[in-house]
Amino acid sequence: GQSLEQPSEVTAVEGAIVQINCTYQTSGFYGLSWYQQHDGGAPTFLSYNGLDGLEETGRFSSFLSRSDSYGYLLLQELQMKDSASYFCAVRDTGGGNKLTFGTGTQLKVEL
Amino acid sequence: GAVVSQHPSRVICKSGTSVKIECRSLDFQATTMFWYRQFPKQSLMLMATSNEGSKATYEQGVEKDKFLINHASLTLSTLTVTSAHPEDSSFYICSAHVWGLGDTQYFGPGTRLTVL
Repeated sequence: GQSLEQPSEVTAVEGAIVQINCTYQTSGFYGLSWYQQHDGGAPTFLSYNGLDGLEETGRFSSFLSRSDSYGYLLLQELQMKDSASYFCAVRDTGGGNKLTFGTGTQLKVEL
Repeated sequence: GAVVSQHPSRVICKSGTSVKIECRSLDFQATTMFWYRQFPKQSLMLMATSNEGSKATYEQGVEKDKFLINHASLTLSTLTVTSAHPEDSSFYICSAHVWGLGDTQYFGPGTRLTVL
């Protein structure tokens, strides 16, 4: 089976940098994805790490360490609109492209 | 980009009735779609994988006779919640895996179901 743990809540101020961690236990591994979900909305894809290291996409970066079964999402220059829930996810290695989502982190950005 | 739509966005029904939710891929063909359920402040839980032209694959603990899935074409999958009860009230979201775009799934906007 798969399990992915994240902190439940993170609070930061506008303009700051925040890191959301994800630790996982999986029977196989195809890489770690990150999704953002605003209240009442659909999850939207942010980033994907198939290999160790840092992937940068604008203000968002994501890091993966497969040896540590650990990854994080880094959000820079925080804006109020970044207040949302963030989920890490892994793809099932049994085929079928199913995703298992982490427990989710609610980010609150304050003035 | 890949766009997935859902209909309806919100539905309120009486206990014991059935509700059908549609999931459409608007600008691509989706041989596989996924149905998730999400309770407030919780993560997305996969209910089933919908395969075009074949039976859906249900996750452990999901009743296939209660949550009927039909994937009759390459652009449409439907989820029918049969004999709905208040505990079925939730946010139902579909998604499609798009080949050639890495590990990305594209999600529909979701359907908020409230059973009275």
